[in-house]
Amino acid sequence: EAQVTQNPRYLITVTGKKLTVTCSQNMNHEYMSWYRQDPGLGLRQIYYSMNVEVTDKGDVPEGYKVSRKEKRNFPLILESPSPNQTSLYFCASSLLGFGAVNNEQFFGPGTRLTVL
Amino acid sequence: GENVEQHPSTLSVQEGDSAVIKCTYSDSASNYFPWYKQELGKRPQLIIDIRSNVGEKKDQRIAVTLNKTAKHFSLHITETQPEDSAVYFCATTSGTYKYIFGTGTRLKVLA
Repeated sequence: EAQVTQNPRYLITVTGKKLTVTCSQNMNHEYMSWYRQDPGLGLRQIYYSMNVEVTDKGDVPEGYKVSRKEKRNFPLILESPSPNQTSLYFCASSLLGFGAVNNEQFFGPGTRLTVL
Repeated sequence: GENVEQHPSTLSVQEGDSAVIKCTYSDSASNYFPWYKQELGKRPQLIIDIRSNVGEKKDQRIAVTLNKTAKHFSLHITETQPEDSAVYFCATTSGTYKYIFGTGTRLKVLA
């Protein structure tokens, strides 16, 4: 089944404790992206990647890191989480960037993160 | 920075009526305009999209219109049904691969 998976789905942690949220897609998509969703603010892009080893900042990259060493995986790293990073996080992928014919982004199920 | 304004934030309609959600963007170079639907507790899913070289696109009860001069685009849902109740997000591009989303519209279809 074609899908985007994220782990963990739920996480409660404490300030300053490094964590990684994994994202994996099995559709051979080139483009991958991370978003955070907060009430009243919609979806805000954190980082995106156009292909292996190519990443760039979205609108809210502060406090986050990413890497794209393999095409299928795009982990989100919070090296020193703070309470303002409490949010619902979505990973997404699409076949190509939106210059291409098919731009549909497929979203993962989401990761609800609470930082105490 | 670039942004997208989405209105209204909430919308209630009677079943069978039409619903219209409007988004205004700031980047005149934007050329791709998708709409996503997010049901309660679920992930966003693409429902329709339009490119800057097209003024209107329809898919059954859903249509999107684009006015590049005025820099706004709208989602139109006709003959609304209870299953249309969800949060709808517009989005557009900023730069080459960066997405900007609107803040969302909670649509309630009243039976």
